[in-house]
Amino acid sequence: GENVEQHPSTLSVQEGDSAVIKCTYSDSASNYFPWYKQELGKGPQLIIDIRSNVGEKKDQRIAVTLNKTAKHFSLHITETQPEDSAVYFCAASLREYGNKLVFGAGTILRVKS
Amino acid sequence: ETGVTQSPTHLIKTRGQQVTLRCSSQSGHNTVSWYQQALGQGPQFIFQYYREEENGRGNFPPRFSGLQFPNYSSELNVNALELDDSALYLCASSHGGQTNQPQHFGDGTRLSIL
Repeated sequence: GENVEQHPSTLSVQEGDSAVIKCTYSDSASNYFPWYKQELGKGPQLIIDIRSNVGEKKDQRIAVTLNKTAKHFSLHITETQPEDSAVYFCAASLREYGNKLVFGAGTILRVKS
Repeated sequence: ETGVTQSPTHLIKTRGQQVTLRCSSQSGHNTVSWYQQALGQGPQFIFQYYREEENGRGNFPPRFSGLQFPNYSSELNVNALELDDSALYLCASSHGGQTNQPQHFGDGTRLSIL
């Protein structure tokens, strides 16, 4: 089955700097890759997603890139702010498996002001 | 637009008991997926319901079962609770069971087994 690895497990950046989180997946048939932000005591919040027919997608300070050949995708956050501090999860999904999401282990992002 | 709501928010049970968790899907969504999130880990897929039928299942034993109702709300039932069942149980709703549509999560039910 699908396996998703996520790095780093923790990331500390200075306010205003950029943050990059990387994920790799194992099943080349995966075709949908969402990113979620989870704050303490809350459920995961979808922040951006990308499909396998697109190489890059951007939404204000957040961007995601996908390299299907290497089977990895990355989340880029520019001009980080203290409110970006949270746990970030990547996930991969196979349409054939009924839209089951397989999650990475998460990255704790700390933005220092 | 009403988001995904889950109840209860917290629950404490003892080993061997049974529990039912509830989820109301976001307006316009007909698919509900359930996930288990252990402390410090990513969510793990339990199963998905689409049009009141189970539409995919993860690696969980049969004592984890579910239902979806005509209004698309859903229940997760767990029998014979074990200590390892202590976790945050998350419900996510989306539109369309066989397509990769965005899943939107509720804030979960925190289940503690003593």
